[in-house]
Amino acid sequence: AQRVTQPEKLLSVFKGAPVELKCNYSYSGSPELFWYVQYSRQRLQLLLRHISRESIKGFTADLNKGETSFHLKKPFAQEEDSAMYYCAPSLVFGKGTRLSVIA
Amino acid sequence: GAGVSQTPSNKVTEKGKYVELRCDPISGHTALYWYRQSLGQGPEFLIYFQGTGAADDSGLPNDRFFAVRPEGSVSTLKIQRTERGDSAVYLCASSFDTGEQFFGPGTRLTVL
Repeated sequence: AQRVTQPEKLLSVFKGAPVELKCNYSYSGSPELFWYVQYSRQRLQLLLRHISRESIKGFTADLNKGETSFHLKKPFAQEEDSAMYYCAPSLVFGKGTRLSVIA
Repeated sequence: GAGVSQTPSNKVTEKGKYVELRCDPISGHTALYWYRQSLGQGPEFLIYFQGTGAADDSGLPNDRFFAVRPEGSVSTLKIQRTERGDSAVYLCASSFDTGEQFFGPGTRLTVL
């Protein structure tokens, strides 16, 4: 069965602190991996995709095929990073983690 | 140009009724996706079109749900004999081929 686990429903960090949003997945084959973000009162949008290997808004995500994890990281959180984050292998979305960055 | 649009933004219906939800993708986008999102959950994939044909409809929960995209542009998601459990936000997204998906604002469906 295809399954995505984002273990933290809510993650609160102080501004300037490092952030790691965890994502573990169970998926047959080799799915393309994505992180999506939804800021308050905005549409869901793509944050980054593994295949492009880009760093977007300071976020990166490392694929660990052995652990089937795709954690999202940022070294220094900013208040504007507060949002809902979804991990998605292919078209299967996790339940999301709400990141709250405290000033 | 305009982004993905969805109409209506809100729909309230009674149990057992039929509803249609419309999605206007970004012009030129070949792929179109439907998801539904219940409270506290992530988007749940329903169906994906490439052009006019459904490339993957494995997410449709049962035969009460049906979607069409007759001219490869606008799509309509149709739900027959609605049930209270169908209440959710229905999201549409479009992409050029299988590239980045651009999402619409969603239609909030409430079945009373």
